[in-house]
Amino acid sequence: DSGVTQTPKHLITATGQRVTLRCSPRSGDLSVYWYQQSLDQGLQFLIQYYNGEERAKGNILERFSAQQFPDLHSELNLSSLELGDSALYFCASSSGTSPGNTIYFGEGSWLTVV
Amino acid sequence: TQLLEQSPQFLSIQEGENLTVYCNSSSVFSSLQWYRQEPGEGPVLLVTVVTGGEVKKLKRLTFQFGDARKDSSLHITAAQPGDTGLYLCAGARAGNNRKLIWGLGTSLGVNP
Repeated sequence: DSGVTQTPKHLITATGQRVTLRCSPRSGDLSVYWYQQSLDQGLQFLIQYYNGEERAKGNILERFSAQQFPDLHSELNLSSLELGDSALYFCASSSGTSPGNTIYFGEGSWLTVV
Repeated sequence: TQLLEQSPQFLSIQEGENLTVYCNSSSVFSSLQWYRQEPGEGPVLLVTVVTGGEVKKLKRLTFQFGDARKDSSLHITAAQPGDTGLYLCAGARAGNNRKLIWGLGTSLGVNP
């Protein structure tokens, strides 16, 4: 158990819909990361927040947005969903901002768009 | 273009065999991490290497960072079925301290 909690674990939704994925980081961790993992693209970094502020941005689509709240939990919002958005979405956390810090991953949220 | 190329992409071996997987780049990294991901779970950090030429051992796993800090290898001795999983390398590029660069991984299957 990494200490990172993600909900929901599985989600099936239709194209065009909007979903919200939720993440609680490890106790004490200020950084939250969101990743997308698919068979063809591998693990893709989407975005990082540190103590409520956006810290780094990766390959996040404009249809996707995220935020980190004062209690440090984070949400990833995916809108106008397309079939290609079907993937495993991971949240991860670390204590600091350096990419050399140990990153702890949650178990992921499986999103299937039909 | 992948900044971090991992090879082989897939590997299936018998229990007891030795293997080496590679993580290569043309870029210099200030540090490089290896993760293992098992089905249905998130990646778990195995090791971080930071010094060119550094060798780290974790039981039967030996990690090496290249002298020029552009590549790394993971050698597993006497593989066991419990070693099955996706091995991912991730590097922090020198001069860019905001993002980790991830490889696509090597999927290892160890048959009993």
